[in-house]
Amino acid sequence: DIVMTQSPDSLAVSLGERATINCKSSQSVFQSSYNKDYLSWYQQKPGQPPKLLIYWASTRESGVPDRFSGSGSGTDFTLTISSLQTEDVAVYFCQQYYSSPVTFGQGTRLEIK
Amino acid sequence: VQLHQSGPGLLKSSETLSLTCDVSGDSFSGYYWSWVRQPPGKGLEWIGYIYYSGSTDYNPSLKSRVTMSVDASKRQLSLKVTSMTAADSAVYYCARGRFSLDYWGQGTLVAVSS
Repeated sequence: DIVMTQSPDSLAVSLGERATINCKSSQSVFQSSYNKDYLSWYQQKPGQPPKLLIYWASTRESGVPDRFSGSGSGTDFTLTISSLQTEDVAVYFCQQYYSSPVTFGQGTRLEIK
Repeated sequence: VQLHQSGPGLLKSSETLSLTCDVSGDSFSGYYWSWVRQPPGKGLEWIGYIYYSGSTDYNPSLKSRVTMSVDASKRQLSLKVTSMTAADSAVYYCARGRFSLDYWGQGTLVAVSS
């Protein structure tokens, strides 16, 4: 199984500041045949299901604010929130779908400083 | 697209979990449908997916106990997990997709008592 490791486990950022969450996979999730990284990012607020933010490592899901961006390739990926808003307080997960079984990172808890 | 889950929230050890997920809105056919679970306060675990035509892929960690099915005429998914134990206590979600999961059910909290 591909192990997804996120860092940090928790993060406190001031309103309006940049938040950066990292995700590292135990093997590359880049599929050369399709020239795509098989990685997504999700946001989960308490009592709610996860919400898809980013897929193919850097494609923003429809309706997701443009302050959210995804970058990286191969084994190292980053979710960036350019200017933190109060509604961004949540747990964030990365997910690989390069190979079965699909696996998720352990989650990063984002709070307001 | 809306996914509405139903099923019991409390089971006894060794019983079988049966959950259903009703899909409304967009097309049902042509999509993959996944199940994911999350123990309280913990991370996400992929259970598996099923294509609308019935082909499946299960997580090897659960494969021997899991069965997924679809009824396209009813736009309904089903999940069965046999021999439930306390370690299977979690919120269970249905979701649309095989890769990235773009629509999710509300979740069903399943507790297993001994």
